[in-house]
Amino acid sequence: AQTVTQSQPEMSVQEAETVTLSCTYDTSESNYYLFWYKQPPSRQMILVIRQEAYKQQNATENRFSVNFQKAAKSFSLKISDSQLGDTAMYFCAFMKHDYQLIWGAGTKLIIKP
Amino acid sequence: ETGVTQSPTHLIKTRGQQVTLRCSSQSGHNTVSWYQQALGQGPQFIFQYYREEENGRGNFPPRFSGLQFPNYSSELNVNALELDDSALYLCASSPTGTGEGGTDTQYFGPGTRLTVL
Repeated sequence: AQTVTQSQPEMSVQEAETVTLSCTYDTSESNYYLFWYKQPPSRQMILVIRQEAYKQQNATENRFSVNFQKAAKSFSLKISDSQLGDTAMYFCAFMKHDYQLIWGAGTKLIIKP
Repeated sequence: ETGVTQSPTHLIKTRGQQVTLRCSSQSGHNTVSWYQQALGQGPQFIFQYYREEENGRGNFPPRFSGLQFPNYSSELNVNALELDDSALYLCASSPTGTGEGGTDTQYFGPGTRLTVL
């Protein structure tokens, strides 16, 4: 069975700093998708970034980028120039061919002014 | 473009009752997935509907059931409510096809907070 592990329950950084959130996963699949979602106090789950496993190039979306290491089954999220609005729970999620999302337990990120 | 909407926002029920949660998918999306998120945890997959048919189910008992309608909106029904059913219920929709913005990317609604007393 696939599993997703986020080893950092909570992180805290100063505004404008760079922060990296860790995620590892376990699967025997060769083709799959990985996602980072953000869940602010409003509860709505917001897509941050998406990576296809067959693409070696790391995905980027403005200040957000990933470090995808397929052999190590690692998928970390880097947030550059962090902003107060980045404060939220961040979830790493894995999707295989049946399009079901399997989620990690989340990392609470606090951006301090 | 209207996003995914869910109703109601909050709901309080007592043990043994039945509840129906509703979801309207984003325009152009024909796949709806439901997730249960207990407090302080990541979501758990309940089931998915594609073109009105169940297209996969997680490890949830049969008292969790669903429907998808011709307009691709969906309902989640839970019978014989238990205290452990208290959670945030998330609905997500996704469009047809694969690739960027395709079936693999799910867009979420704001959720329904269910409290069972």
